[in-house]
Amino acid sequence: AQSVTQLDSHVSVSEGTPVLLRCNYSSSYSPSLFWYVQHPNKGLQLLLKYTSAATLVKGINGFEAEFKKSETSFHLTKPSAHMSDAAEYFCVVILNNAGNMLTFGGGTRLMVKP
Amino acid sequence: IAGITQAPTSQILAAGRRMTLRCTQDMRHNAMYWYRQDLGLGLRLIHYSNTAGTTGKGEVPDGYSVSRANTDDFPLTLASAVPSQTSVYFCASSLTSGGPGDTQYFGPGTRLTVL
Repeated sequence: AQSVTQLDSHVSVSEGTPVLLRCNYSSSYSPSLFWYVQHPNKGLQLLLKYTSAATLVKGINGFEAEFKKSETSFHLTKPSAHMSDAAEYFCVVILNNAGNMLTFGGGTRLMVKP
Repeated sequence: IAGITQAPTSQILAAGRRMTLRCTQDMRHNAMYWYRQDLGLGLRLIHYSNTAGTTGKGEVPDGYSVSRANTDDFPLTLASAVPSQTSVYFCASSLTSGGPGDTQYFGPGTRLTVL
């Protein structure tokens, strides 16, 4: 079985401060992990993905995530938030033996205050 | 066309009516997917197709059907809509269906309201 949990449904930060969006997964197999972003009334855009290569993954728009197997975590970070980062973020897991079956976390809404 | 297109953008539908949501991709991707998005639940897979001519059931397939007559199109049909099918529907595609970490690309979504 696989599942993914996003620990915060809402995160609020001030512009220019760091962003941390937390994600934990459970998987019996070595997973592939993704972060997607969804801006209001838009589709989903891939931010970054981990597929068993380097554990620190760099994505678009200054985001990065670190795969920590011992903690079963894949938290998303950014050193300095921009107003344009305000959106919904989804952590997604796929088992390496399950082809293309994605499992989504419940989402974290990031709010950025001026 | 660039990427994935979905139609209609939004629709209000009376319960019991039949509805087909359209999805077209021009990336020559082999695999296509339909998801529904509900508040607090993320996206859940309804049906998928690994290649033209084949389809499979996802996590929440009941009340929905799909077909994949060619590579580009993957319509989703609600034979008799019910209010619980009110949701935002996303179509997605990926180049292959079996590669670990194969990236899925998403369309802009269809907002469906069933009254």
